[in-house]
Amino acid sequence: ETGVTQTPRHLVMGMTNKKSLKCEQHLGHNAMYWYKQSAKKPLELMFVYSLEERVENNSVPSRFSPECPNSSHLFLHLHTLQPEDSALYLCASSPKTGQPTTDTQYFGPGTRLTVL
Amino acid sequence: LAKTTQPISMDSYEGQEVNITCSHNNIATNDYITWYQQFPSQGPRFIIQGYKTKVTNEVASLFIPADRKSSTLSLPRVSLSDTAVYYCLVGGTWGDYKLSFGAGTTVTVRA
Repeated sequence: ETGVTQTPRHLVMGMTNKKSLKCEQHLGHNAMYWYKQSAKKPLELMFVYSLEERVENNSVPSRFSPECPNSSHLFLHLHTLQPEDSALYLCASSPKTGQPTTDTQYFGPGTRLTVL
Repeated sequence: LAKTTQPISMDSYEGQEVNITCSHNNIATNDYITWYQQFPSQGPRFIIQGYKTKVTNEVASLFIPADRKSSTLSLPRVSLSDTAVYYCLVGGTWGDYKLSFGAGTTVTVRA
């Protein structure tokens, strides 16, 4: 238990569906992240939010839409996805202390997404 | 951002010590070295972090030589449950969220 929860844990959707992934952190952190991990591939950073403001968008297709209503919650809205979007989607948070230490990230368990 | 290089895979047997070395030749003065562990279908988990010399916790030890251009993660007496991917990251400030986890080192522990 890392203090970061994700729901749902598994999701199967068709290409025309609209769904949302939810992430919640109970650690009092100021930064939250979305990563994508396809089979046997490294983690790909998708979005970064700092104090509810998006600070990074790594050329992610518009069919992925993030939302960060407050520092504890992060959503990833999905629409008209493609089968190649099937992957493990991981949420993480970090304290963003501003101190000269690596900003350790705490990951959730992930949502296993399958697009049919 | 400091680039890291680590072996793609390592095999070991239960009860042995596993040492994974990460090279980071252009590490900056303010950079710390952090290791994560990832099991299949789970998110990475922080293992250990250090700046210099040696750091030890209940899970692993981290050895960092004086020049800090490399570091070695040591897993004592591994068990089957230590089979995972291990990532080495180097960074020192908030902006280092762009650090790439890379391919990591896949450690396979056999009975």
